[in-house]
Amino acid sequence: AQRVTQPEKLLSVFKGAPVELKCNYSYSGSPELFWYVQYSRQRLQLLLRHISRESIKGFTADLNKGETSFHLKKPFAQEEDSAMYYCALRSGGSNYKLTFGKGTLLTVNP
Amino acid sequence: NAGVTQTPKFQVLKTGQSMTLQCAQDMNHNSMYWYRQDPGMGLRLIYYSASEGTTDKGEVPNGYNVSRLNKREFSLRLESAAPSQTSVYFCATAGTGTVDEQFFGPGTRLTVL
Repeated sequence: AQRVTQPEKLLSVFKGAPVELKCNYSYSGSPELFWYVQYSRQRLQLLLRHISRESIKGFTADLNKGETSFHLKKPFAQEEDSAMYYCALRSGGSNYKLTFGKGTLLTVNP
Repeated sequence: NAGVTQTPKFQVLKTGQSMTLQCAQDMNHNSMYWYRQDPGMGLRLIYYSASEGTTDKGEVPNGYNVSRLNKREFSLRLESAAPSQTSVYFCATAGTGTVDEQFFGPGTRLTVL
């Protein structure tokens, strides 16, 4: 069975500090991984996907198949990055289902 | 375009009451989903519909039923609400293809007393 683990429920950093949100997965097939973000009073939205290898709002995430990880990183955190972050794994097949981790609430202090 | 809409935004029920949460999308997406979000539990899939006319159970389907009324609408019904169903419910949609993302509605906050 597939599983997504985000070991930190809460993460607090100061503005300008580096931030890393951890995500580990368990999946027997070839994984497709995503990070979704939910800002206060806003709906959940896609932040980035591993297949695109893109940087969004300064965030990057590299898929490490050896360590089964997909950690989200940003070198200099900003106050507007404060939000709930969810790592998600897409299962294979024709049904586009996502398995979400439990989420990490990031707080960036001034 | 409204994207994904949900009604109602808030609802308070008494134990045993029934209600239907509505979801509609104007994105012409085939797949639709219902999730519940609970503190410390993340998002858990209740039911999903890969296309019009089909529905399948997700991770936590007990106590819920769904109807895919047409391509645009996907409703979630609680027949006999229980306090354990107090949660925030999100509807989401997705197109088809390898890299399609899921688009979420604004959520319905449900309290069962």
